[in-house]
Amino acid sequence: NAGVTQTPKFRVLKTGQSMTLLCAQDMNHEYMYWYRQDPGMGLRLIHYSVGEGTTAKGEVPDGYNVSRLKKQNFLLGLESAAPSQTSVYFCATSLVGSGSIGGETQYFGPGTRLLVL
Amino acid sequence: GQSLEQPSEVTAVEGAIVQINCTYQTSGFYGLSWYQQHDGGAPTFLSYNGLDGLEETGRFSSFLSRSDSYGYLLLQELQMKDSASYFCAVRFFPMNTGFQKLVFGTGTRLLVSP
Repeated sequence: NAGVTQTPKFRVLKTGQSMTLLCAQDMNHEYMYWYRQDPGMGLRLIHYSVGEGTTAKGEVPDGYNVSRLKKQNFLLGLESAAPSQTSVYFCATSLVGSGSIGGETQYFGPGTRLLVL
Repeated sequence: GQSLEQPSEVTAVEGAIVQINCTYQTSGFYGLSWYQQHDGGAPTFLSYNGLDGLEETGRFSSFLSRSDSYGYLLLQELQMKDSASYFCAVRFFPMNTGFQKLVFGTGTRLLVSP
């Protein structure tokens, strides 16, 4: 089992370019999350999904869009990249929501390092 | 909103015991989690406290006091491989959603020396 995978691992964009980050999981988890991690700021939730076909905003959703067309995939899109979006992006999954037994554990992918020039 | 405070850096020697504190302010508090992250790696789950008291998992223990809005992670018999960043994360229940969320602290960098 691969667990949670993310592609690409690293990307350099110019301001205004667009890209899509892919998160894939083979754990059959319902819940998926996108976080960004910046130095000294911990992990901040961008968007999340409670199941196939659903998405919702997190703490810092501006400038990002997401889609969950298939249960195993969660895509994060940047329509017009800005230097402020330079960050490390982590995808995570959990079996159930945080309020349920077993939902306290989130499993993270290896991350995507994005540099916007 | 939610806020968490933890020290930015802690240093210790191999074999020692170290405690990383976390204080929080949040409404709808549900529990406190701890994650470990090595440089360049992904966060990995360490422990969770939903109730007051101590939870022990091998060399690691985590404690929660809901009345004090305080928790800590205790690492015993430190090893070099324990050098990493440690994040506390609050699980809370926003009033305007039906979904509980995690908010992470800014992390504590633990440096273990020989």
